[in-house]
Amino acid sequence: GAVVSQHPSWVICKSGTSVKIECRSLDFQATTMFWYRQFPKQSLMLMATSNEGSKATYEQGVEKDKFLINHASLTLSTLTVTSAHPEDSSFYICSAHPKRPGGYEQYFGPGTRLTVT
Amino acid sequence: EDQVTQSPEALRLQEGESSSLNCSYTVSGLRGLFWYRQDPGKGPEFLFTLYSAGEEKEKERLKATLTKKESFLHITAPKPEDSATYLCAVQAGGTASKLTFGTGTRLQVTL
Repeated sequence: GAVVSQHPSWVICKSGTSVKIECRSLDFQATTMFWYRQFPKQSLMLMATSNEGSKATYEQGVEKDKFLINHASLTLSTLTVTSAHPEDSSFYICSAHPKRPGGYEQYFGPGTRLTVT
Repeated sequence: EDQVTQSPEALRLQEGESSSLNCSYTVSGLRGLFWYRQDPGKGPEFLFTLYSAGEEKEKERLKATLTKKESFLHITAPKPEDSATYLCAVQAGGTASKLTFGTGTRLQVTL
């Protein structure tokens, strides 16, 4: 149980284009979903928190107009990187917090490797 | 501001050589402390949640413990398949489940 999927697993795009990444909780409903970014040999940095049906909350320093988050349902959140540039190349990982009493753990997806050329 | 510090940064063990990883934290109102395992190029895999000082959890060769200032992940008789980066994270009360991660300990277990 508690499986989270991401699509695509990797993507290469040209500078200036937009890329959408999907995050789905496959066997549970998620009250809250989170988007992280991870650079090589570094830890996870939280980008934003999203709740179903409401606007995402972005961490300080994260441009909300560049990283668009849509939490369309209790099992799906999307991250769109708009007008991507080479510095946006990174490993993007989502996580989901189950909608159930007790337990505060988050379950992570397998990640999406974005390369902007 | 919540902070998590993990040590050592990297650890190399021989198969069967037990050791412990440390996670020191400062947080205002700990809701939970979490341990994850991350393999290269993959998302973190949930291992344990600890909620209060004195609590212990076990899973196969891993045992996690918690005090008011730190947590330990004890690895007993490790095998090469235990090689991974182990991440510690804390969650403060009233912060909508936000996790603050440490930088991890890269564990390598050799034959």
